[in-house]
Amino acid sequence: AQSVTQLGSHVSVSEGALVLLRCNYSSSVPPYLFWYVQYPNQGLQLLLKYTSAATLVKGINGFEAEFKKSETSFHLTKPSAHMSDAAEYFCAVTHADSNYQLIWGAGTKLIIKP
Amino acid sequence: KAGVTQTPRYLIKTRGQQVTLSCSPISGHRSVSWYQQTPGQGLQFLFEYFSETQRNKGNFPGRFSGRQFSNSRSEMNVSTLELGDSALYLCASSFTGGFDEQYFGPGTRLTVT
Repeated sequence: AQSVTQLGSHVSVSEGALVLLRCNYSSSVPPYLFWYVQYPNQGLQLLLKYTSAATLVKGINGFEAEFKKSETSFHLTKPSAHMSDAAEYFCAVTHADSNYQLIWGAGTKLIIKP
Repeated sequence: KAGVTQTPRYLIKTRGQQVTLSCSPISGHRSVSWYQQTPGQGLQFLFEYFSETQRNKGNFPGRFSGRQFSNSRSEMNVSTLELGDSALYLCASSFTGGFDEQYFGPGTRLTVT
C-alpha cells in the first residue's frame, strides 16, 4: 500500500534562509508525486509534480523538488524563504495501480521568522 | 478563466440532519474529486466523478454520497450527520483525472453541533 510521510508537522525558518520540507513515500510501482500548498482559509494549489521525466522538478514561487528513488524521497526546497511562503505544505503520491487516487501526507506548516 | 467554486462556504447543521454541498468545476474539466480535511485525519479522499460516473471511491461510510451532472457540476451529500463529520470539504477538478493537476476550490466548512 502507498503511504506518504512528511517529517515535521511544523518547520520554522528565518526570512532569507533555505527552506527544506521533507517527504518520503512508499510505493511498489513508479509513483507520481506532488507538492501542494494551502494558505489559510483557502483550497490547495499545486506547487509542482513529478511524472517520471526529470528528477529535479521546478515549480512555482521558486520552489523545486528532487525525486530520489534510492531514498524514496521527494523533498521540497527553496533557496531563500519569504514571508509570503508561510502556509501549510502537502506531499501526495499516486500511481496507476491505485487508479490514481491521491494519498496525502499529514502536512507541514511552514513558519517564517522575520 | 473562473476557478473552482464551492457553495456554501460555511454551514452549521445539527446531528442527524443531512447536507448537500455543491461544486462547480473549471470550464472544460470533466473530473471532480471530493476530499475531507480535518485536523486529526488530515486530507482524505472521498470520491471522484468523471463524466457523471463515480470512478473512484475512498473509505467512507455510505452516508457520504455524490453525483455529477452533465455540465460536470457535482454535489456531495452527507446523511444522518455526526459530530465527527465536522470538517472542511474540498472539491477539486481536472481535465481527465489521473495524474492531471487538480485545481481546488476554497472549500465548505461544515460544523455539526
